[in-house]
Amino acid sequence: DVKVTQSSRYLVKRTGEKVFLECVQDMDHENMFWYRQDPGLGLRLIYFSYDVKMKEKGDIPEGYSVSREKKERFSLILESASTNQTSMYLCASSTPGRGEQYFGPGTRLTVT
Amino acid sequence: AQKVTQAQTEISVVEKEDVTLDCVYETRDTTYYLFWYKQPPSGELVFLIRRNSFDEQNEISGRYSWNFQKSTSSFNFTITASQVVDSAVYFCALSEGVDAYNTDKLIFGTGTRLQVFP
Repeated sequence: DVKVTQSSRYLVKRTGEKVFLECVQDMDHENMFWYRQDPGLGLRLIYFSYDVKMKEKGDIPEGYSVSREKKERFSLILESASTNQTSMYLCASSTPGRGEQYFGPGTRLTVT
Repeated sequence: AQKVTQAQTEISVVEKEDVTLDCVYETRDTTYYLFWYKQPPSGELVFLIRRNSFDEQNEISGRYSWNFQKSTSSFNFTITASQVVDSAVYFCALSEGVDAYNTDKLIFGTGTRLQVFP
């Protein structure tokens, strides 16, 4: 069964903290994605990775970085969290050329 | 530029009613893919269907059906005899291009929240 897991369902951090969001998939997918979801805005792509150590910026990369050292793991890093990064963060993975992505349960991050 | 519009922000129906969720897309490509996802209250997006631009046949899966019309750039989703368990946010998405790289990036609509009351 397809499985994408995220390290936390809920996270509360303070402004200025460094935040790590972890995502692991067990489907041997080459592609992995990080989105944020905000009311009225749908899902917006932050970064994606099409191979180990490869990454590309999405539509809203400012304030974020990513790391992919192993095929199954894709980390999203908030270098210095700010209140406008309070959001739901969704990780996904896919096989190249198939299009459909498989999502994790999401991490609801609150920055105070 | 590519874009997906879901004009219905929220829809409320009573159980057993039929409901249609609208999706209109914009793209310059002749080859593209369209998707529908369901996001129940638990938060995890669930893949429902993928349709490529060369296949305009309607699809039915149980109580779910999809109507793809290139002439109106629409890919609408109908739930027949709705149930409380259908309550969720539904997203329509688009991907473009003929190579594997481009077909893997999705552009999502803003979603339609469906509430089904008993």
